[in-house]
Amino acid sequence: DAKTTQPNSMESNEEEPVHLPCNHSTISGTDYIHWYRQLPSQGPEYVIHGLTSNVNNRMASLAIAEDRKSSTLILHRATLRDAAVYYCTDSRTGANNLFFGTGTRLTVIP
Amino acid sequence: GAVVSQHPSRVICKSGTSVKIECRSLDFQATTMFWYRQFPKQSLMLMATSNEGSKATYEQGVEKDKFLINHASLTLSTLTVTSAHPEDSSFYICSARGWLAGGADTQYFGPGTRLTVL
Repeated sequence: DAKTTQPNSMESNEEEPVHLPCNHSTISGTDYIHWYRQLPSQGPEYVIHGLTSNVNNRMASLAIAEDRKSSTLILHRATLRDAAVYYCTDSRTGANNLFFGTGTRLTVIP
Repeated sequence: GAVVSQHPSRVICKSGTSVKIECRSLDFQATTMFWYRQFPKQSLMLMATSNEGSKATYEQGVEKDKFLINHASLTLSTLTVTSAHPEDSSFYICSARGWLAGGADTQYFGPGTRLTVL
């Protein structure tokens, strides 16, 4: 099974950037990296995905290391609504078999 | 786009009864759907992978006779918890595999169903 590791928790001040790290110890060359976030009592929400190049969308940016063993989710200006548990995943077979680690609980301080 | 719904959102039942949870992809067809379980303050645990028209594939340790999965159409999968017991109380989340622009695929998640067994 694919395995990712993340810090259990992080804090950020509102309106400041946040960098959420993830290690992808078993990633292979064709695995996409996906990030999801989960608000309390809700299903996970897709945030962003990438393969090798850095990616940007309206929610966040994704920076992928050259060896792909790590990735960083970047929230450019944290808001209170960004407080959630953030999960990084990678998969051997596309979006099948996404195994979620413990995730990072992000607290945004007003 | 890519909306997944679940029904019911919350259910309370007596021990020994069966509960059915529906998962629908509202605006896309999903040949593959997934069922997860999440206990308080824990991560999501994949229970089974459901492919339309075929039997579900269960993860190790998940009882297939207790958690019945049916994926009868490209937009509907159901999870039935049979003879539910208090230890089955959990947050059940489904997802559907869909494709993003550019060809990569991801999973779109439903809002979850909170099951409480008394």
